[in-house]
Amino acid sequence: AQKITQTQPGMFVQEKEAVTLDCTYDTSDQSYGLFWYKQPSSGEMIFLIYQGSYDEQNATEGRYSLNFQKARKSANLVISASQLGDSAMYFCAMSVFKAAGNKLTFGGGTRVLVKP
Amino acid sequence: EAGVTQFPSHSVIEKGQTVTLRCDPISGHDNLYWYRRVMGKEIKFLLHFVKESKQDESGMPNNRFLAERTGGTYSTLKVQPAELEDSGVYFCASSQGVLPYEQYFGPGTRLTVT
Repeated sequence: AQKITQTQPGMFVQEKEAVTLDCTYDTSDQSYGLFWYKQPSSGEMIFLIYQGSYDEQNATEGRYSLNFQKARKSANLVISASQLGDSAMYFCAMSVFKAAGNKLTFGGGTRVLVKP
Repeated sequence: EAGVTQFPSHSVIEKGQTVTLRCDPISGHDNLYWYRRVMGKEIKFLLHFVKESKQDESGMPNNRFLAERTGGTYSTLKVQPAELEDSGVYFCASSQGVLPYEQYFGPGTRLTVT
């Protein structure tokens, strides 16, 4: 079974500063993917970034980067130059790649509030 | 292109009643997933359809939950009879491929059982 742990239930960040959201995972499988989703107050889940277990380089998507440390089983999200619109819940998730389908396992989420 | 839609957005029912949630995936998406987030807990996988077939229903909590996807288009999730612990937000996601990062989520249905 897979498990995702997000130890920060909530955090404040000053606008224009960078923020790191922690995520650790546990799985015995070798082939898996790690994901971050953003959930603004409107409720929809927005895909942000993906890292495959065999990817050697850390994933980046605009202001989002994923600090992947495989040996430590961590997949922290870094948001650079925070904006007010970044205020939201952020979920770390993983999926083990199997032929039967790729369901996502989520962490408990971190609520981020960006202060002007 | 329309995204994943879910109906209703909110539902308040009494314990013992029946509720049916609906999900319309993105047109052409064969894969449809249901997830739910119970208050204060993680988002949990419920089940996965490929077209009209249930590929994985390992996350369904008990036999009070029944999911269908007639004709491989929209899906319904019926809770009968509803219990207090069923309260939460029910998400639907769809994808064309099998890669997880291609899952597009709907806005969710907030279910409150009183």
